[in-house]
Amino acid sequence: AQTVTQSQPEMSVQEAETVTLSCTYDTSESDYYLFWYKQPPSRQMILVIRQEAYKQQNATENRFSVNFQKAAKSFSLKISDSQLGDAAMYFCAYQGAQKLVFGQGTRLTINP
Amino acid sequence: DTGVSQDPRHKITKRGQNVTFRCDPISEHNRLYWYRQTLGQGPEFLTYFQNEAQLEKSRLLSDRFSAERPKGSFSTLEIQRTEQGDSAMYLCASSYTRQQDTQYFGPGTRLTVL
Repeated sequence: AQTVTQSQPEMSVQEAETVTLSCTYDTSESDYYLFWYKQPPSRQMILVIRQEAYKQQNATENRFSVNFQKAAKSFSLKISDSQLGDAAMYFCAYQGAQKLVFGQGTRLTINP
Repeated sequence: DTGVSQDPRHKITKRGQNVTFRCDPISEHNRLYWYRQTLGQGPEFLTYFQNEAQLEKSRLLSDRFSAERPKGSFSTLEIQRTEQGDSAMYLCASSYTRQQDTQYFGPGTRLTVL
């Protein structure tokens, strides 16, 4: 069975600074997708970024980028120029066939 | 596009009662998923449908839980004889197989069993 591990329960960063959230996963599959979702205090889960495992190029969405290391099974999220609205729980998720397997989450606090 | 909607947003019930939740997916999405999220944890998969067919169920889905998607559009999740351990956020997500199958989530239904 696939597993996803987020080793940082909480992180904090100063506004406008850069922060990196870590994620590792375990799978025997070769074709899969990885995601970062954001869950603000209102609890609506929002897609942040997506990475296809067959792509070597790291995904980027505006201030959000990933560092995908397939051999190491590592998938970290970098948030540049952190903003107050980035404060949320961040979940790393793995998708093989259909269902998502989530990590435990990292609570990100932005300090003004 | 309107997003995924769920109803009700909050439900408080007494132990032993039955509850039913509804999820309306994004209109063209053919896959619909149910997840359960307890406080401080990541969501856990319960079941998913492709059109009206229920294709996978987690062992978390005990025989007190049943889900349907009768016409391949909205879905219902029913919990019979609720227990305090059923208290959680129930999340619905939908996806479209021809759009990279990315799942988009609804706001969830928070269930509290007293």
